[in-house]
Amino acid sequence: AQSVAQPEDQVNVAEGNPLTVKCTYSVSGNPYLFWYVQYPNRGLQFLLKYITGDNLVKGSYGFEAEFNKSQTSFHLKKPSALVSDSALYFCAVFDKAGGSYIPTFGRGTSLIVHP
Amino acid sequence: DAGVTQSPTHLIKTRGQQVTLRCSPKSGHDTVSWYQQALGQGPQFIFQYYEEEERQRGNFPDRFSGHQFPNYSSELNVNALLLGDSALYLCASSLARVEGYTFGSGTRLTVV
Repeated sequence: AQSVAQPEDQVNVAEGNPLTVKCTYSVSGNPYLFWYVQYPNRGLQFLLKYITGDNLVKGSYGFEAEFNKSQTSFHLKKPSALVSDSALYFCAVFDKAGGSYIPTFGRGTSLIVHP
Repeated sequence: DAGVTQSPTHLIKTRGQQVTLRCSPKSGHDTVSWYQQALGQGPQFIFQYYEEEERQRGNFPDRFSGHQFPNYSSELNVNALLLGDSALYLCASSLARVEGYTFGSGTRLTVV
């Protein structure tokens, strides 16, 4: 079985400060990991993914994520937050070796960037 | 290049009624997945269609059914609506069931 946890319902950060949104996962094989962002009343927009290779993945809008196999984590980061980054962020995982191509999503973390 | 298109954007139905939601995948994509997103929750997988067949199904009752057409578009049908079916229904398309999901903006279903 595959699962993902986002331990924080909400993250608050001041504009210009670095931000981190946490994600941990559980799979039986090698994980495929994703981050999506959702703005109010909209669908999910892809930010970045980790399949294999370099543990630091760079994505859209200046976001990056670090894959840590020993800690089973895939935290989303950005060096300098913008007010426009305020949105709902979802981490997702699937284990391709398990025969499923269906990502499992976390509950989401609301990011609020204060001016 | 059009992305994933869902219709309608909003819908209000009465308990016990039936509803059909529609999805047109991104150009070049052949796989459609449906998700239910309740308020304050992450998307929950309903089912996935590929080559006009349901390939995988999540933990949803048989009241939820679907279809995929030869042009890869898809429908989600929900019978005997319950208040708890109120949610944002998201369609996601991909190519040949691999990663690279593109999501539509969703259909907001309200059951009263």
